[in-house]
Parts: sequence; structure tokens; C-alpha cells
Amino acid sequence: SQTIHQWPATLVQPVGSPLSLECTVEGTSNPNLYWYRQAAGRGLQLLFYSVGIGQISSEVPQNLSASRPQDRQFILSSKKLLLSDSGFYLCAWSRGTGRYEQYFGPGTRLTVT
Amino acid sequence: GQQVMQIPQYQHVQEGEDFTTYCNSSTTLSNIQWYKQRPGGHPVFLIQLVKSGEVKKQKRLTFQFGEAKKNSSLHITATQTTDVGTYFCAGPRSNYQLIWGAGTKLIIKP
Repeated sequence: SQTIHQWPATLVQPVGSPLSLECTVEGTSNPNLYWYRQAAGRGLQLLFYSVGIGQISSEVPQNLSASRPQDRQFILSSKKLLLSDSGFYLCAWSRGTGRYEQYFGPGTRLTVT
Repeated sequence: GQQVMQIPQYQHVQEGEDFTTYCNSSTTLSNIQWYKQRPGGHPVFLIQLVKSGEVKKQKRLTFQFGEAKKNSSLHITATQTTDVGTYFCAGPRSNYQLIWGAGTKLIIKP
């Protein structure tokens, strides 16, 4: 069966510090991968998605970036965090063959202070 | 642009009462999906509807897809405390992306 991992679970970072969040998927190959951000009590905002190694599409211009160095690894980064980057970051995967349902990791709660 | 509207934003019910959330798309959808997010948790895929007029049931949950494939609903009969959370609908925006409703938060009144 497929499993998706995210770490860390929680993170408190000062403004201006760098960020690296990692997501890995097990049990499937060539998944579509997604990074979402969810503000408290709000909906899901798609940040990035990837359909293959090295292929990244950005949905929202911001100071975040994403990379996919391996088939089942997706990384979200920032060089300098802003207060507005606080939120719940969720990684998700879907099959790359026309089925659309997405499966989410446990998420990372980021607080920028 | 393509939009998916979900109402209501919140619904407070007494335990045992029914709950319904509605999802309306500005465009015809090839399918619609429903997810549940428990407080503090991540969204979990519940079901996908594909056919016009489709109705699917999961225990006390009934999902419907409209005839025009532009609207959908989720109905929970006799809510229980385990039903608490936010329910999201989502439809395909492209081959790789979903467009999400804003969610309906189900709150059980003590």
C-alpha cells in the first residue's frame, strides 16, 4: 500500500530564516506531487505541483520554491521566511494516469515568529 | 475563471440531527470528490462521483452528483461526534490539479 511521509510535524522559525520541508511517498511510482498551504480555519491553497522529476509548476508567486530531486521526494524551501508564511503545509500525491483523488500527508505546522 | 462554491461555511447541529453541504461549480465537471478533514488533521479522500445523477452511500453519508454534473451534495444522517470536521468538495481543474471548495465545517453542539 501507499504511504506518504512529511516532516517535521511542527516547526517554529524566526522571520528571515530558511525553510526546508520534505515529503516522501512509498509504494507507488511516478506520482503527481503537490504542496498546499492552509491558513487557520481556511481552505487549501495549491502552491506547487510536479508531474515528474525536476518538473515543477508554481501556482502562486511568493518567496517559496519547490524541488523534486527524486521520483518520490518533494521538497518545499524558502531562503527567507516571512510572517505570512505561517500555516499548515500539506503534501499530497495522486496517481499520474488520469485518476484525480489526492492523498495527503500528515502536514507540517509552521509558525514564523 | 473556473470556480467551485461550497455552502454553508459552517453548520452547527445537535448530535443526532442531519447535516448537508452543497457544492456548485461554474463549469461541468468530469468528476467530483469529497474529503474530510478532522480538527488538527489532514484531508482524507472519501469518495469520487463520476456519472450524471450518481448517488453513493457510505453508512450514514449520502453523496449525490447533479444531472448537469455541476453540483453535488453530501448528506449525513443522524450526526455523531465522530463526524466533526471540515468537508471539502473538489473537481478537476486540469489533468493534474483539483479546484477546491472552501469547505463546510460541521460543529456538533453540546
